[in-house]
Amino acid sequence: DAKTTQPTSMDCAEGRAANLPCNHSTISGNEYVYWYRQIHSQGPQYIIHGLKNNETNEMASLIITEDRKSSTLILPHATLRDTAVYYCIVIIQGAQKLVFGQGTRLTINP
Amino acid sequence: EAGVAQSPRYKIIEKRQSVAFWCNPISGHATLYWYQQILGQGPKLLIQFQNNGVVDDSQLPKDRFSAERLKGVDSTLKIQPAKLEDSAVYLCASRTILYEQYFGPGTRLTVT
Repeated sequence: DAKTTQPTSMDCAEGRAANLPCNHSTISGNEYVYWYRQIHSQGPQYIIHGLKNNETNEMASLIITEDRKSSTLILPHATLRDTAVYYCIVIIQGAQKLVFGQGTRLTINP
Repeated sequence: EAGVAQSPRYKIIEKRQSVAFWCNPISGHATLYWYQQILGQGPKLLIQFQNNGVVDDSQLPKDRFSAERLKGVDSTLKIQPAKLEDSAVYLCASRTILYEQYFGPGTRLTVT
């Protein structure tokens, strides 16, 4: 599985869009980009995933660059409850094992 | 639908004692995982079950850790004897044929 690089921490003001970057320059053609988040004292929670097209669901949007070497998770209107560690994970299609890195600690400030 | 259930939520034991954690996955989820999460790190996979068979236990310290999933539903993870470095949160997750894993709240183990 391709490795990912994420900033250690980020801050965002409440109500603004939070944009979390992820670099995955060694991604291969059949690998998906997954995002999970972990709120304090809870288990990780699935957010969104994509292959090459941009994706949107009720939680977030995922923008994948055309060369697929990086992606951005967008939380359009961040709230205090979005404060969490966000993990970007690249896994091959059909793979069942998630390999978590250190993630990005996102703090939403009032 | 009910989520992944784990118990206990917290456990404090002394080193060299034994401890067991229980997990009840989401109904119908054939794949079950146990992860260990040390403070400040991302979760690390310990073992993966497909129904009641082990798919991957390459990261499980087998000299002290054991896990079983009887009847392909509930699972238990045991540590015997515990060491100080086993202090961590133990997370259980389950998955359908789709790719998303659903995690339980975890059990926080403190070994003193």
